[in-house]
Order: sequence, then C-alpha cells, then structure tokens
Amino acid sequence: GENVEQHPSTLSVQEGDSAVIKCTYSDSASNYFPWYKQELGKRPQLIIDIRSNVGEKKDQRIAVTLNKTAKHFSLHITETQPEDSAVYFCAASSALTSGSARQLTFGSGTQLTVLP
Amino acid sequence: DTGVSQDPRHKITKRGQNVTFRCDPISEHNRLYWYRQTLGQGPEFLTYFQNEAQLEKSRLLSDRFSAERPKGSFSTLEIQRTEQGDSAMYLCASSLPSQGPSTDTQYFGPGTRLTVL
Repeated sequence: GENVEQHPSTLSVQEGDSAVIKCTYSDSASNYFPWYKQELGKRPQLIIDIRSNVGEKKDQRIAVTLNKTAKHFSLHITETQPEDSAVYFCAASSALTSGSARQLTFGSGTQLTVLP
Repeated sequence: DTGVSQDPRHKITKRGQNVTFRCDPISEHNRLYWYRQTLGQGPEFLTYFQNEAQLEKSRLLSDRFSAERPKGSFSTLEIQRTEQGDSAMYLCASSLPSQGPSTDTQYFGPGTRLTVL
C-alpha cells in the first residue's frame, strides 16, 4: 500500500520568513495530494491540493509543488504569520478497489511554530 | 454550520464497555469515510461508504469495530469491548464525487476523542 513520509516533524520560523515542508510517497499510482492544517483540538482543514497533471499550484501565500518522477511534493508558505502555527499534514491518495473513491494516506505531520 | 458534524465530541469509557459515535456528513455528500488519529500521527483510514454501502474496510478495523450508514446519510461507528489501545480521535470525512476522473476532496468533521480507562 501507499506510504507517505513527511519532514521535518517540527519547524520554527520567524514571522515573515518562509516555511517549507516536504513529503515523499511510494505508490506511483497516487494522483492527488492534499495538504491539511490542524490546529490543536480542531478538525483537519484542507488548505491546498494538487493533482498529478500539474507541477505547481499557488493560492496567495501558499504553494505546493509536485515532482512525480521523484515522488515527492512540498508545501511552501511565504510571509508566515503567527496564525499559521499549527500541525500540517500531507496526504496522498491511493485507489480503493471499489469505484473511484480514494483512500488518503497521511504523513506524520509537521508542527509549525511561527515566532512573533 | 453546514460542515461535517460528529457526536459526541468527547467520550470517556471503561475498558470492556461498548461505545457508539455518530457522523453527519455535509448534505448531498454521498461518500463518507472514517479515520482514526492517535497523538502525534496523521489520520489512518478505517472504512468507506458510498451511499449506504460499506465498500472498503482497513485491516486496522478489527472485528470489534462495526460501522453503518443505514439510509445513506448519517453514519455510526461502534466499538465493542473497548481496549485502552482504542483511545484515539475518531474522524469522519465526507465528499461529493467530482466530475471526471479527478479525486474528490474530503472534508473532515471535528472528531470524537475517545479515552478508554
């Protein structure tokens, strides 16, 4: 099955700096890669996703890049703010045997702390 | 709030007791997923429903776990004879199949935190 590795496990940056979180996946059939932000005690919230037919996607201060050949994808947050502090999870979709639904396999998370 | 809702938000039980959790997906979402999240880890897939049919179950789902979605709307997850190792956050997610071959986006509920004493 799919295996997703995420690095680093913790990341501290100064406010205004950039943060980069990297993930690798094992299943070459995976074609959908979402990123979720989870604040303490709250639900994971989708912040950006990318599909395998594109190499990069940007939404304001957040961008994701995908390298299918190397099977890795990265989250880039620019101009970080204290409210960006949270745990970030990457995920890769792998096919369920039934229908077109996809199971998400998550990385182990990155605790991002933005220091004011 | 029109998002995914879960009830209860917290459950404390003694080892050996049965517990049941409920998930209400976003209306018109016909796909529903259950995940389990332990401290410091990402969510792990447990099971998937399309409408009322349970189509996939993870090997993580032991025979003490059962899930239902009787009318294709809300779902319940029951754990029988709970063990301390069952302590975790149980998350529900729902999605609406996207047009074409693209993968649909899963939206998560707030979770039910289970503590087994």
